[in-house]
Amino acid sequence: AQSVTQLDSHVSVSEGTPVLLRCNYSSSYSPSLFWYVQHPNKGLQLLLKYTSAATLVKGINGFEAEFKKSETSFHLTKPSAHMSDAAEYFCVVSGSGNTGKLIFGQGTTLQVKP
Amino acid sequence: DTAVSQTPKYLVTQMGNDKSIKCEQNLGHDTMYWYKQDSKKFLKIMFSYNNKELIINETVPNRFSPKSPDKAHLNLHINSLELGDSAVYFCASSAIAGGGHGYTFGSGTRLTVV
Repeated sequence: AQSVTQLDSHVSVSEGTPVLLRCNYSSSYSPSLFWYVQHPNKGLQLLLKYTSAATLVKGINGFEAEFKKSETSFHLTKPSAHMSDAAEYFCVVSGSGNTGKLIFGQGTTLQVKP
Repeated sequence: DTAVSQTPKYLVTQMGNDKSIKCEQNLGHDTMYWYKQDSKKFLKIMFSYNNKELIINETVPNRFSPKSPDKAHLNLHINSLELGDSAVYFCASSAIAGGGHGYTFGSGTRLTVV
């Protein structure tokens, strides 16, 4: 079965400093992986996705993630945090089969301090 | 112009009532989903329809009944509402079912049962 574990429930950074949100996955086959962001009282927006092409994936708003099969990780990074990055971030893996089911991690709250 | 729209955005109702949430997508996608986000922000799939056919039916009380009149619409009807049904319900769509395709989410319906 597929699963994801987000290693930090809460991350706090200062504006202008790097962001690292950690995600480990478990999958019995080559997975598709995603990062979604949810701003307060908003829906979910796709930041980026990995689908077995390049292992370094670039997303919107300066975010990127690297798929590391040996470490079963898909950490999300950004070189310089902006106040508008404060939100909830979800690491997601696709479920097995052709149902399109997505399995969400528990979420990481990113706080950006001025 | 909204890609996936849900109505209503907020719903406050008493225990025992029956309520419906509607979802429509104008993206031409074949697959639609309902997800539930609990108070701890955990997201879990409830149902999925592919071109009006039910393909995912997770362990959800049978008080919840989805209906897809056409591939652009997926509604969720809830009978005999309980306090534990309070959550944010998200509708989403994807081009096809199967891993590798990100979803487009609606902005959510916040259901409060009192």
